[in-house]
Amino acid sequence: ELKVEQNPLFLSMQEGKNYTIYCNYSTTSDRLYWYRQDPGKSLESLFVLLSNGAVKQEGRLMASLDTKARLSTLHITAAVHDLSATYFCAVISTDSWGKLQFGAGTQVVVTP
Amino acid sequence: GAGVSQSPSNKVTEKGKDVELRCDPISGHTALYWYRQSLGQGLEFLIYFQGNSAPDKSGLPSDRFSAERTGGSVSTLTIQRTQQEDSAVYLCASRDRSNQPQHFGDGTRLSIL
Repeated sequence: ELKVEQNPLFLSMQEGKNYTIYCNYSTTSDRLYWYRQDPGKSLESLFVLLSNGAVKQEGRLMASLDTKARLSTLHITAAVHDLSATYFCAVISTDSWGKLQFGAGTQVVVTP
Repeated sequence: GAGVSQSPSNKVTEKGKDVELRCDPISGHTALYWYRQSLGQGLEFLIYFQGNSAPDKSGLPSDRFSAERTGGSVSTLTIQRTQQEDSAVYLCASRDRSNQPQHFGDGTRLSIL
């Protein structure tokens, strides 16, 4: 059974500093997704990572995938208040009809 | 274009009643997924449709839950004899090609009194 672990589960960030969220998964997968969720809102797709060594960047966020280590990271550069949200990684296992197995989510709060 | 649309956005009902939740996916998206999100269990897969078929129903928690999809478009998730543990946000997602991200609707917040 595919398990996805995120850490930390809560991250208090200071504006202007850099932080990393980690996502480990337990079985072979070549598709990993990062989503953002604002309170009371739905999930917004941030990144799609499809191969070993994939790196995607959008603004202050950068995501990478190491399929050999079964690890993805979401790096936040110079945090700003607008990045306060919950971030989920989700993995699709190779035999699963594309269903997403989510991590527990990382709640990010950015303060001045 | 239009995103995934779900209705109702909120539903409050008494324990034991039946409820129907509706999902209208993005036009042309053949794959449709239902998930639910609760504080205790996080985000859980319920069922997957490809066209009108459901090749993966493995996440439905009990036989009180059922879903159908008609015309390769709208899907309905039905919960019979609701229980308090059914309280959650039910999310629908659709996607186009297999490597593309799933696009989520705003969800239906279901509260069982």
